[in-house]
Amino acid sequence: AQSVAQPEDQVNVAEGNPLTVKCTYSVSGNPYLFWYVQYPNRGLQFLLKYITGDNLVKGSYGFEAEFNKSQTSFHLKKPSALVSDSALYFCAVRDIDPQGTDKLIFGTGTRLQVFP
Amino acid sequence: KAGVTQTPRYLIKTRGQQVTLSCSPISGHRSVSWYQQTPGQGLQFLFEYFSETQRNKGNFPGRFSGRQFSNSRSEMNVSTLELGDSALYLCASSPSIGHMNTEAFFGQGTRLTVV
Repeated sequence: AQSVAQPEDQVNVAEGNPLTVKCTYSVSGNPYLFWYVQYPNRGLQFLLKYITGDNLVKGSYGFEAEFNKSQTSFHLKKPSALVSDSALYFCAVRDIDPQGTDKLIFGTGTRLQVFP
Repeated sequence: KAGVTQTPRYLIKTRGQQVTLSCSPISGHRSVSWYQQTPGQGLQFLFEYFSETQRNKGNFPGRFSGRQFSNSRSEMNVSTLELGDSALYLCASSPSIGHMNTEAFFGQGTRLTVV
């Protein structure tokens, strides 16, 4: 089965500095990878996805992610962090199990804290 | 365009009771998926409905069931509630089935507390 790992429970960064939230994946075949963000007391919001094509994917709110096949990573990045970026970030991969169930498998989440 | 609407937002139930949660997808979306979010297990897929039929199902016991109506609105039912069912239940809508090319749009969730 496919899986994703988010090795950091929390990432702290100063406002204005670049940020990176890490995600590694384990898949058979070509991965379909996603990033979602969850603000307090809210549902998940889609940020970006990688299906195929350019390894650098640009998404909402100035976020981007780089797909690296050799390192099996899909790290989320932003050149200049904002305090309002503070939230819980989830990496996800599409999985089709042997029974044919098509679903998203989410990582455990990384809490991003941006300090003024 | 209205987003995904989940009702109620908060619910408190007693062990052994049953509960029904509702989800109205984005207009025109025909796929509705349900997820359970807990601190211990994270986000886990429950099932997906498309055109009133369950198309995908996660690894949850039969106490968890759902249905979808002709207007694409979906309900999720949990019978014989257990303390471990306390969670945030998220609904996601999508224009098409599965997760191949389209992103899912999530509702704000229903916070279920079982006491």
